[in-house]
Amino acid sequence: GQNIDQPTEMTATEGAIVQINCTYQTSGFNGLFWYQQHAGEAPTFLSYNVLDGLEEKGRFSSFLSRSKGYSYLLLKELQMKDSASYLCAVMDSNYQLIWGAGTKLIIKP
Amino acid sequence: GAVVSQHPSWVICKSGTSVKIECRSLDFQATTMFWYRQFPKQSLMLMATSNEGSKATYEQGVEKDKFLINHASLTLSTLTVTSAHPEDSSFYICSASSGRDTGELFFGEGSRLTVL
Repeated sequence: GQNIDQPTEMTATEGAIVQINCTYQTSGFNGLFWYQQHAGEAPTFLSYNVLDGLEEKGRFSSFLSRSKGYSYLLLKELQMKDSASYLCAVMDSNYQLIWGAGTKLIIKP
Repeated sequence: GAVVSQHPSWVICKSGTSVKIECRSLDFQATTMFWYRQFPKQSLMLMATSNEGSKATYEQGVEKDKFLINHASLTLSTLTVTSAHPEDSSFYICSASSGRDTGELFFGEGSRLTVL
């Protein structure tokens, strides 16, 4: 079956760096997405990786290793507004998005 | 960037009535739109894939007669929850793709349905 694994919850301190990991097993691979979702709101797009390596976008970076079925989202200089759920999703060979359950990130002052 | 608008944001209805939710791509043509459902503290669950001019593709376990999807134009898809019951209360979200190559999905604001 298809499976996306990511930690349920993480806690970090304002100003610090946090890495949220995501491992996947899917039928085919057409890219991996990271989304941010604040409570009660729709997800917003953060990043898209289809080739191995690191993609940097401001304070957020996303890394992909297709051979390992592994990705991480790196958040630097954490701000209180970064408190949210972070969803990892993989697009399979049918271009369907397979979603992880999300990682709730709690930022403490 | 691309914008997807969803309406209404909140809806409360009586059990047995039908509710229509609209999803519009405001500045791009979306041949494919996706409808999701999210229960509290859970991840998004894909309900169906809506293709312009053809019938929607429903995920296993989703009742197509209960959740009617219409994608009549390249900028509008609608989800109608027919004969709604309290267990249909949920957060419904649509998304649209601006093009398969980019892979990026744009989400609507979501619609919170409460069935009394």
